[in-house]
Amino acid sequence: DVKVTQSSRYLVKRTGEKVFLECVQDMDHENMFWYRQDPGLGLRLIYFSYDVKMKEKGDIPEGYSVSREKKERFSLILESASTNQTSMYLCASSFWGLQGVGETQYFGPGTRLLVL
Amino acid sequence: AQTVTQSQPEMSVQEAETVTLSCTYDTSENNYYLFWYKQPPSRQMILVIRQEAYKQQNATENRFSVNFQKAAKSFSLKISDSQLGDTAMYFCAFRPNFGNEKLTFGTGTRLTIIP
Repeated sequence: DVKVTQSSRYLVKRTGEKVFLECVQDMDHENMFWYRQDPGLGLRLIYFSYDVKMKEKGDIPEGYSVSREKKERFSLILESASTNQTSMYLCASSFWGLQGVGETQYFGPGTRLLVL
Repeated sequence: AQTVTQSQPEMSVQEAETVTLSCTYDTSENNYYLFWYKQPPSRQMILVIRQEAYKQQNATENRFSVNFQKAAKSFSLKISDSQLGDTAMYFCAFRPNFGNEKLTFGTGTRLTIIP
Protein backbone atom coordinates (compact mmCIF):
# COMPACT_ATOMS: atom_id res chain seq x y z
CA ASP A 1 0.00 0.00 0.00
CA VAL A 2 1.05 3.55 -0.71
CA LYS A 3 1.97 5.37 2.43
CA VAL A 4 2.13 9.13 2.71
CA THR A 5 3.02 10.45 6.13
CA GLN A 6 3.09 13.94 7.55
CA SER A 7 5.30 14.98 10.43
CA SER A 8 2.57 16.31 12.72
CA ARG A 9 -1.19 15.84 13.04
CA TYR A 10 -1.62 19.03 15.08
CA LEU A 11 0.59 22.08 15.34
CA VAL A 12 0.23 25.36 17.24
CA LYS A 13 2.48 28.27 16.29
CA ARG A 14 2.78 31.96 17.00
CA THR A 15 2.37 34.73 14.44
CA GLY A 16 5.70 35.45 12.78
CA GLU A 17 7.24 32.04 13.46
CA LYS A 18 8.83 30.03 10.67
CA VAL A 19 6.93 26.78 10.25
CA PHE A 20 8.03 23.57 8.55
CA LEU A 21 5.57 20.89 7.49
CA GLU A 22 7.13 17.66 6.32
CA CYS A 23 5.72 15.01 4.02
CA VAL A 24 7.26 11.65 3.17
CA GLN A 25 6.06 9.03 0.71
CA ASP A 26 7.40 5.50 0.43
CA MET A 27 6.36 4.55 -3.11
CA ASP A 28 9.05 6.28 -5.17
CA HIS A 29 6.48 8.71 -6.61
CA GLU A 30 7.78 11.48 -8.83
CA ASN A 31 4.99 13.96 -8.12
CA MET A 32 4.24 15.52 -4.76
CA PHE A 33 1.68 18.16 -3.80
CA TRP A 34 0.72 20.46 -0.95
CA TYR A 35 -2.93 21.51 -0.50
CA ARG A 36 -4.74 23.48 2.13
CA GLN A 37 -8.28 22.55 3.09
CA ASP A 38 -10.73 25.09 4.45
CA PRO A 39 -14.46 24.65 5.13
CA GLY A 40 -16.56 25.77 2.20
CA LEU A 41 -13.51 26.15 -0.04
CA GLY A 42 -12.52 22.54 -0.62
CA LEU A 43 -8.86 21.81 -1.31
CA ARG A 44 -6.65 24.38 -2.94
CA LEU A 45 -3.22 23.65 -4.37
CA ILE A 46 -0.32 25.57 -2.85
CA TYR A 47 2.71 24.04 -4.62
CA PHE A 48 3.66 20.87 -6.42
CA SER A 49 6.83 19.19 -7.56
CA TYR A 50 7.56 16.89 -10.49
CA ASP A 51 11.01 15.88 -9.41
CA VAL A 52 13.79 16.57 -6.96
CA LYS A 53 14.62 20.28 -6.74
CA MET A 54 11.73 21.14 -9.07
CA LYS A 55 8.68 23.07 -7.97
CA GLU A 56 5.66 24.72 -9.51
CA LYS A 57 3.28 27.26 -8.00
CA GLY A 58 -0.29 26.22 -7.48
CA ASP A 59 -3.30 28.44 -6.99
CA ILE A 60 -2.37 30.00 -3.65
CA PRO A 61 1.45 30.09 -3.25
CA GLU A 62 1.66 33.46 -1.51
CA GLY A 63 3.20 33.22 1.95
CA TYR A 64 4.54 29.71 1.33
CA SER A 65 7.65 28.11 -0.07
CA VAL A 66 8.64 24.47 -0.61
CA SER A 67 11.70 22.31 -0.68
CA ARG A 68 12.34 18.96 -2.32
CA GLU A 69 15.90 17.80 -1.78
CA LYS A 70 15.07 14.08 -1.88
CA LYS A 71 12.53 12.27 -4.00
CA GLU A 72 10.55 10.94 -1.06
CA ARG A 73 10.33 14.16 0.94
CA PHE A 74 8.47 17.40 0.22
CA SER A 75 8.50 20.22 2.75
CA LEU A 76 6.13 23.15 3.02
CA ILE A 77 7.53 26.27 4.67
CA LEU A 78 5.61 29.17 6.11
CA GLU A 79 8.29 31.86 6.24
CA SER A 80 6.39 34.04 8.72
CA ALA A 81 3.19 32.43 9.91
CA SER A 82 0.05 34.52 10.00
CA THR A 83 -3.37 33.85 11.49
CA ASN A 84 -4.93 33.50 8.02
CA GLN A 85 -2.72 30.47 7.47
CA THR A 86 -4.60 28.55 10.15
CA SER A 87 -5.87 25.58 8.19
CA MET A 88 -5.63 21.87 7.45
CA TYR A 89 -2.65 21.06 5.23
CA LEU A 90 -2.70 17.94 3.09
CA CYS A 91 0.20 16.38 1.25
CA ALA A 92 -0.28 14.04 -1.72
CA SER A 93 1.87 12.08 -4.13
CA SER A 94 1.47 10.31 -7.46
CA PHE A 95 3.64 8.62 -10.07
CA TRP A 96 3.96 9.19 -13.78
CA GLY A 97 1.84 6.66 -15.68
CA LEU A 98 2.90 4.78 -18.76
CA GLN A 99 1.37 7.40 -21.03
CA GLY A 100 3.30 10.21 -19.37
CA VAL A 101 0.26 11.27 -17.39
CA GLY A 102 0.23 11.46 -13.64
CA GLU A 103 -1.84 8.84 -11.96
CA THR A 104 -4.09 8.85 -8.91
CA GLN A 105 -2.97 11.08 -6.05
CA TYR A 106 -2.56 9.50 -2.61
CA PHE A 107 -3.02 11.69 0.42
CA GLY A 108 -1.40 11.94 3.83
CA PRO A 109 -3.44 12.25 7.04
CA GLY A 110 -3.13 16.03 7.17
CA THR A 111 -1.65 18.56 9.58
CA ARG A 112 -4.05 20.85 11.38
CA LEU A 113 -2.16 24.11 11.95
CA LEU A 114 -3.31 26.79 14.34
CA VAL A 115 -1.52 30.14 14.22
CA LEU A 116 -2.12 32.34 17.26
CA ALA B 1 -9.43 27.59 -15.92
CA GLN B 2 -11.48 24.69 -14.71
CA THR B 3 -14.11 24.90 -12.00
CA VAL B 4 -15.84 22.15 -10.08
CA THR B 5 -19.16 22.73 -8.33
CA GLN B 6 -20.77 20.60 -5.64
CA SER B 7 -24.13 22.15 -4.88
CA GLN B 8 -25.01 20.01 -1.84
CA PRO B 9 -22.98 21.07 1.20
CA GLU B 10 -24.64 18.43 3.40
CA MET B 11 -26.75 15.34 2.94
CA SER B 12 -28.04 12.59 5.16
CA VAL B 13 -29.71 9.28 4.43
CA GLN B 14 -30.82 6.22 6.31
CA GLU B 15 -28.56 3.21 6.38
CA ALA B 16 -29.16 0.81 3.45
CA GLU B 17 -30.69 3.54 1.28
CA THR B 18 -29.24 4.81 -1.98
CA VAL B 19 -27.86 8.34 -2.19
CA THR B 20 -26.59 10.42 -5.11
CA LEU B 21 -24.08 13.24 -4.76
CA SER B 22 -23.96 15.75 -7.56
CA CYS B 23 -20.98 17.39 -9.24
CA THR B 24 -20.74 19.66 -12.24
CA TYR B 25 -17.63 21.06 -13.84
CA ASP B 26 -16.62 23.56 -16.44
CA THR B 27 -13.75 23.05 -18.85
CA SER B 28 -12.75 23.61 -22.45
CA GLU B 29 -10.63 20.44 -22.43
CA ASN B 30 -11.78 17.36 -24.30
CA ASN B 31 -9.65 14.80 -22.51
CA TYR B 32 -9.58 14.70 -18.75
CA TYR B 33 -10.09 12.64 -15.62
CA LEU B 34 -12.76 12.98 -12.96
CA PHE B 35 -12.48 11.67 -9.43
CA TRP B 36 -14.50 11.19 -6.29
CA TYR B 37 -12.48 11.26 -3.07
CA LYS B 38 -13.76 10.35 0.38
CA GLN B 39 -12.48 11.88 3.63
CA PRO B 40 -13.86 10.09 6.72
CA PRO B 41 -13.88 12.04 9.98
CA SER B 42 -10.30 12.51 11.22
CA ARG B 43 -9.01 10.03 8.66
CA GLN B 44 -7.04 10.05 5.43
CA MET B 45 -8.54 11.10 2.11
CA ILE B 46 -8.91 8.12 -0.19
CA LEU B 47 -9.92 7.65 -3.80
CA VAL B 48 -13.41 6.24 -4.29
CA ILE B 49 -13.69 6.11 -8.04
CA ARG B 50 -12.28 7.68 -11.18
CA GLN B 51 -13.55 8.19 -14.72
CA GLU B 52 -11.65 8.88 -17.92
CA ALA B 53 -13.58 11.31 -20.10
CA TYR B 54 -12.92 9.35 -23.28
CA LYS B 55 -14.65 6.27 -21.88
CA GLN B 56 -18.37 6.01 -22.56
CA GLN B 57 -18.97 3.46 -19.86
CA ASN B 58 -19.64 4.73 -16.36
CA ALA B 59 -17.12 3.60 -13.77
CA THR B 60 -18.25 1.27 -10.99
CA GLU B 61 -16.54 0.14 -7.80
CA ASN B 62 -18.67 -2.24 -5.76
CA ARG B 63 -21.46 -0.12 -4.20
CA PHE B 64 -20.14 3.07 -5.79
CA SER B 65 -20.99 4.10 -9.33
CA VAL B 66 -20.96 7.28 -11.33
CA ASN B 67 -23.29 8.86 -13.84
CA PHE B 68 -20.98 10.67 -16.24
CA GLN B 69 -22.71 13.00 -18.69
CA LYS B 70 -19.95 14.59 -20.75
CA ALA B 71 -22.13 16.94 -22.77
CA ALA B 72 -23.82 18.22 -19.64
CA LYS B 73 -20.48 18.29 -17.75
CA SER B 74 -22.02 16.35 -14.93
CA PHE B 75 -20.39 13.66 -12.78
CA SER B 76 -22.61 12.35 -9.98
CA LEU B 77 -21.73 9.63 -7.47
CA LYS B 78 -24.28 7.02 -6.47
CA ILE B 79 -23.79 5.04 -3.28
CA SER B 80 -26.01 1.97 -3.06
CA ASP B 81 -26.91 0.14 0.15
CA SER B 82 -25.29 2.89 2.19
CA GLN B 83 -23.34 1.88 5.30
CA LEU B 84 -22.34 3.74 8.46
CA GLY B 85 -18.74 3.71 7.21
CA ASP B 86 -19.77 5.81 4.24
CA THR B 87 -20.16 8.80 6.55
CA ALA B 88 -17.54 11.26 5.27
CA MET B 89 -16.81 14.38 3.26
CA TYR B 90 -16.91 13.61 -0.44
CA PHE B 91 -14.95 15.69 -2.90
CA CYS B 92 -15.31 15.74 -6.66
CA ALA B 93 -12.12 16.58 -8.55
CA PHE B 94 -11.03 17.27 -12.13
CA ARG B 95 -7.69 16.91 -13.87
CA PRO B 96 -6.76 17.52 -17.52
CA ASN B 97 -5.28 14.60 -19.37
CA PHE B 98 -2.01 16.18 -20.36
CA GLY B 99 0.42 18.83 -19.34
CA ASN B 100 -0.91 19.67 -15.92
CA GLU B 101 -1.06 17.45 -12.87
CA LYS B 102 -3.12 19.84 -10.83
CA LEU B 103 -6.36 18.53 -9.35
CA THR B 104 -9.19 21.04 -9.12
CA PHE B 105 -11.53 20.17 -6.25
CA GLY B 106 -15.12 21.03 -5.50
CA THR B 107 -16.09 22.38 -2.09
CA GLY B 108 -17.26 18.99 -0.84
CA THR B 109 -20.45 17.33 0.37
CA ARG B 110 -20.71 16.17 3.96
CA LEU B 111 -22.63 12.89 3.92
CA THR B 112 -24.06 11.40 7.10
CA ILE B 113 -25.47 7.89 7.18
CA ILE B 114 -28.13 7.57 9.87
CA PRO B 115 -28.47 4.21 11.66
